[in-house]
Amino acid sequence: AQTVTQSQPEMSVQEAETVTLSCTYDTSESDYYLFWYKQPPSRQMILVIRQEAYKQQNATENRFSVNFQKAAKSFSLKISDSQLGDAAMYFCAYRSWNTDKLIFGTGTRLQVFP
Amino acid sequence: DGGITQSPKYLFRKEGQNVTLSCEQNLNHDAMYWYRQDPGQGLRLIYYSQIVNDFQKGDIAEGYSVSREKKESFPLTVTSAQKNPTAFYLCASSWGGRRTYEQYFGPGTRLTVT
Repeated sequence: AQTVTQSQPEMSVQEAETVTLSCTYDTSESDYYLFWYKQPPSRQMILVIRQEAYKQQNATENRFSVNFQKAAKSFSLKISDSQLGDAAMYFCAYRSWNTDKLIFGTGTRLQVFP
Repeated sequence: DGGITQSPKYLFRKEGQNVTLSCEQNLNHDAMYWYRQDPGQGLRLIYYSQIVNDFQKGDIAEGYSVSREKKESFPLTVTSAQKNPTAFYLCASSWGGRRTYEQYFGPGTRLTVT
């Protein structure tokens, strides 16, 4: 069975600085999808970024980018120029190619200080 | 506006009572999902449905039941058999199929059972 591990329960960053959140996963599959979701205090889950395993290029969405290391089964999220609105829980999630089911990590709480 | 609605936002019930959580989407998505979120844990899948009149158990289906009579609606019933029902419940939907990307989430329902 696939598992997703987020080893950093909490992280903090100063406004305008850069922070990296870690995620590792375990799978025997070669085709899958990876996601980062953000859950602000409102508790609405918002998709931040996604990565298809067959793509070698790391995904980027404005200030958010990933470092996808397929061989190492690592999928970290980098937030550049951090803003106060980035403060939230961040969840890493895995989806196999042949199922709609998402498997989530336990989350990392990010605090942003002015 | 297209989206997913969950009602109510907060729900209180006495132990031993069944309670039904509502989830409606107008995104024309085929697949719908129910997740449970507890403090310090990621989201765990309760049930999912890829098509009307069909649904599958997720990882923690015991004590829950669902129906999918309409494409737009996927209500979740928390029965008295669920031993620890107090939690935050999130509904999600997606297009379904192999090349589905992200799941879109509703705002959630906080259920408290005393």
